[in-house]
Amino acid sequence: QQQVKQSPQSLIVQKGGISIINCAYENTAFDYFPWYQQFPGKGPALLIAIRPDVSEKKEGRFTISFNKSAKQFSLHIMDSQPGDSATYFCAASKRAAGNMLTFGGGTRLMVKP
Amino acid sequence: DVKVTQSSRYLVKRTGEKVFLECVQDMDHENMFWYRQDPGLGLRLIYFSYDVKMKEKGDIPEGYSVSREKKERFSLILESASTNQTSMYLCASSSRGLPGRFGAGTRLSVL
Repeated sequence: QQQVKQSPQSLIVQKGGISIINCAYENTAFDYFPWYQQFPGKGPALLIAIRPDVSEKKEGRFTISFNKSAKQFSLHIMDSQPGDSATYFCAASKRAAGNMLTFGGGTRLMVKP
Repeated sequence: DVKVTQSSRYLVKRTGEKVFLECVQDMDHENMFWYRQDPGLGLRLIYFSYDVKMKEKGDIPEGYSVSREKKERFSLILESASTNQTSMYLCASSSRGLPGRFGAGTRLSVL
């Protein structure tokens, strides 16, 4: 049973549009929520992360929104570009458990020129 | 540029073979990780190591073992490869906390 559910599995967005990827978690002990970006043929790389004491974090065109009561968080990519085409993974961890990350299933994003 | 290097991009092995996947990082990181990546399942942690000769089981350690004799090198061992271990294997490292950088992966096919 996946503890972090990610949707959609794939997403096609026009250049300049907003890409939105959603994740939901079940375990209320999770207290750190990173997002990873993976280009074809490459390993994932940490993109942005949020802790549950804030509702939003923004880095450039990338924003994480966090809803603790709903146990949901999402990644928004503003002004999406073809270079953003990649697979995105959300994840969650419990600090008390050290370095254990639980990943969502991934979203393959394609941004059309 | 800092690097996590996995020794092979592609491997083809036969059922029952002993398989070694090697990972080297040049960042002097304490923590190293092995994940497997399967479509729709994301990444699942197999083992991680927080110091030389130290290891901790992840979510799916069955059928795998690891070795960390030197700080920069973390090996994943499939004692007797099976077809359900056909997957993409990813190594990662971090100075503390969660993995920030991954290797490019090894795609293993077990026939």
